[in-house]
Amino acid sequence: DTEVTQTPKHLVMGMTNKKSLKCEQHMGHRAMYWYKQKAKKPPELMFVYSYEKLSINESVPSRFSPECPNSSLLNLHLHALQPEDSALYLCASSQNLARGPQPQHFGDGTRLSIL
Amino acid sequence: AQSVTQPDIHITVSEGASLELRCNYSYGATPYLFWYVQSPGQGLQLLLKYFSGDTLVQGIKGFEAEFKRSQSSFNLRKPSVHWSDAAEYFCAVGRAGNFNKFYFGSGTKLNVKP
Repeated sequence: DTEVTQTPKHLVMGMTNKKSLKCEQHMGHRAMYWYKQKAKKPPELMFVYSYEKLSINESVPSRFSPECPNSSLLNLHLHALQPEDSALYLCASSQNLARGPQPQHFGDGTRLSIL
Repeated sequence: AQSVTQPDIHITVSEGASLELRCNYSYGATPYLFWYVQSPGQGLQLLLKYFSGDTLVQGIKGFEAEFKRSQSSFNLRKPSVHWSDAAEYFCAVGRAGNFNKFYFGSGTKLNVKP
């Protein structure tokens, strides 16, 4: 069983819709990540949060808006997405960013399809 | 700059045969190395990691990997493959002081023949 839970597992939305992806972890981790993964490709980093503050935005378009309301939750708000945004969106967490690289623990992802 | 190369896009092995997946990295200092596995429709699961110390590391599901600094390699091995090992395998490298950013290889798809 994964310790990082993502909801929903699947999402189909039109280009004018607004929706949100949710990620939750109860491991006491203070760093959380959003990745985008296209088919047959490795994950691409989108955002990194540390202690609920945004640390990295990898030049992601503003139609993706992350939010970290508390240390256990990470949201990704979606608005006016394009068909090329269809992908698997993965959330991950790690203990913190204070020391050297640490393992990231991934959820099972949300499969997003844009019509 | 960091980079990770997984030379094999697809590998097919027979069930019960041994397996070696290759990973080469490019990084000036001591790398932090990881292997992840991704089954269809699922997220990435950590198999093992190398930070320092013994260059042969043991992971979950019977996997091991060997760090060879002279060859800039971190190859993943398993002595006897099971059908359930069919999946995509990703090698990743990280470094200290970089917001725990990982650099992933392009992945190797493992097929297992009965």
